[in-house]
Amino acid sequence: ILNVEQSPQSLHVQEGDSTNFTCSFPSSNFYALHWYRWETAKSPEALFVMTLNGDEKKKGRISATLNTKEGYSYLYIKGSQPEDSATYLCASSGGGKSTFGDGTTLTVKP
Amino acid sequence: KAGVTQTPRYLIKTRGQQVTLSCSPISGHRSVSWYQQTPGQGLQFLFEYFSETQRNKGNFPGRFSGRQFSNSRSEMNVSTLELGDSALYLCASSPWTTLDEKLFFGSGTQLSVL
Repeated sequence: ILNVEQSPQSLHVQEGDSTNFTCSFPSSNFYALHWYRWETAKSPEALFVMTLNGDEKKKGRISATLNTKEGYSYLYIKGSQPEDSATYLCASSGGGKSTFGDGTTLTVKP
Repeated sequence: KAGVTQTPRYLIKTRGQQVTLSCSPISGHRSVSWYQQTPGQGLQFLFEYFSETQRNKGNFPGRFSGRQFSNSRSEMNVSTLELGDSALYLCASSPWTTLDEKLFFGSGTQLSVL
């Protein structure tokens, strides 16, 4: 992996479904992994910053895990709600800068 | 606490002109970073400033420059505008570093180059 890659690119789920996204990043020169939520017409909002292999973070129904050895992070949303509809960005920090993925756009249908 | 403020929100320029964008960070934050987002692209890192010094720089041509003032406010300048510079420009602040701290983003400046 040379760049930060996110999958899937977009996701449509029904209200109440649980879902997860993947962020893959270069494991060399790694410093931290960030997750942001970006709602339409708003600014990106920080969800989590993780640095250690095996880190797990949780905020309400949203949680994230980090595997620095294999270079991936998962973001989980339990019981999706329409207000969870947004683009979820991950960014890998290292070498003095943060590299963002293209994001996963989640649409939750009522 | 006031959030990150970017001005102007929208800007229309023509090719060859130059433009200056402004970013006021959250009070007490000393690191300011700038990002460009073009349609279909993720956020591309432009540069980061800390205590009036450019700490890191992304892979952008020299037409893109910036500076930071003693009150941590930052400006970004783009000279000799090209059509491809049309984008949303976001700035973000953090207390010390962009690497392992959460970034607080402004609402962005939407630049259109005609």
